[in-house]
Amino acid sequence: AQTVTQSQPEMSVQEAETVTLSCTYDTSESDYYLFWYKQPPSRQMILVIRQEAYKQQNATENRFSVNFQKAAKSFSLKISDSQLGDAAMYFCASGGSQGNLIFGKGTKLSVKP
Amino acid sequence: NAGVTQTPKFQVLKTGQSMTLQCAQDMNHEYMSWYRQDPGMGLRLIHYSVGAGITDQGEVPNGYNVSRSTTEDFPLRLLSAAPSQTSVYFCASSQGPRVTFGSGTRLTVV
Repeated sequence: AQTVTQSQPEMSVQEAETVTLSCTYDTSESDYYLFWYKQPPSRQMILVIRQEAYKQQNATENRFSVNFQKAAKSFSLKISDSQLGDAAMYFCASGGSQGNLIFGKGTKLSVKP
Repeated sequence: NAGVTQTPKFQVLKTGQSMTLQCAQDMNHEYMSWYRQDPGMGLRLIHYSVGAGITDQGEVPNGYNVSRSTTEDFPLRLLSAAPSQTSVYFCASSQGPRVTFGSGTRLTVV
């Protein structure tokens, strides 16, 4: 079975500091993608960053970057210069070419002013 | 572009009632999916479709039916609602790694 595990139910970071959210996964797909989604209280699912598994280079989007370790099946998210607006639930997900995603249980991120 | 449109945004049902959650996309995506999100859980796949006329079950399909008569629409039917189906439901469409979610439907079954 395909699984995604987020071992940190809650995390806290000081504004302007850096925080890393952990994610491990297991998939039988040979061609797959990894995602981090942000879900604020509005419940909208917002794509933070996406990584194609065949790419060795780690994806980056402004203050957000990933550490993708394919052999270890690890996909952590680093948020630099944390802002109050970053506070939300963060979900790690994996998916194959059909676009069906397997989600972790999420990490609730709090940002302290 | 509207993206993925889900209706309604909120719904309260009585046990045993039936209803259909609507989902429409205007991006000509091949793939569409339905997920449910329960407290303390990530999204779990209910049903999905890889194209018009083709559907398949996901992780938690019991109690739900789907059909895909057009590329644009992918309704989710609850034939006889149960309190265990109280959840937030998300529809998504995708083309390869590009996944777009609707804004969700909060369903309460009393």
